[in-house]
Amino acid sequence: DGGITQSPKYLFRKEGQNVTLSCEQNLNHDAMYWYRQDPGQGLRLIYYSQIVNDFQKGDIAEGYSVSREKKESFPLTVTSAQKNPTAFYLCASSVLAGGRAKNIQYFGAGTRLSVL
Amino acid sequence: GQQLNQSPQSMFIQEGEDVSMNCTSSSIFNTWLWYKQDPGEGPVLLIALYKAGELTSNGRLTAQFGITRKDSFLNISASIPSDVGIYFCAGRGSSNTGKLIFGQGTTLQVKP
Repeated sequence: DGGITQSPKYLFRKEGQNVTLSCEQNLNHDAMYWYRQDPGQGLRLIYYSQIVNDFQKGDIAEGYSVSREKKESFPLTVTSAQKNPTAFYLCASSVLAGGRAKNIQYFGAGTRLSVL
Repeated sequence: GQQLNQSPQSMFIQEGEDVSMNCTSSSIFNTWLWYKQDPGEGPVLLIALYKAGELTSNGRLTAQFGITRKDSFLNISASIPSDVGIYFCAGRGSSNTGKLIFGQGTTLQVKP
């Protein structure tokens, strides 16, 4: 099945630890995105990437890092510098060309990160 | 970052009732999208709108792209228990990056 796979579903972070959230897509989409979701705040953009080996900061990039070594993969690392990492993290992807199709983002099932 | 103003923030309704929610923005958008998120899952696209004044239906759902291009609304008719979830609006301007701006979400609870 074509889609976006996020793993793990649940993740726990210890104090001072870096953790990495996986996002893989087999939709052949050019662009990929990471969002953070907190209750009552909607979706806030952390990082996005339009092409392999290139990515841009979103609205809340501090304390996070990403890489885009393959078109299919866009892992997010939550570093120890992120002091309040507890949230639901969503990965999305979209095409960048092709008329109306480029407007739609498709989401994975999310990873819930908690601090021990 | 920029956000859309989505209201109401939450709704608790009786099964069978109609529901209406809306989003407003200070900026003009070229595209409005409505997503639904079930608990513990990612958002799923319900309706996409591309032209000012456009009215589009998807089963019991109807959404409209406001003529000012700064607002959109979503109506759900004859609600059922599986309509429970968080509904998000999202807008896209003229940017080529594919970035969307999301509303804060409307949490819908349906009492059987």
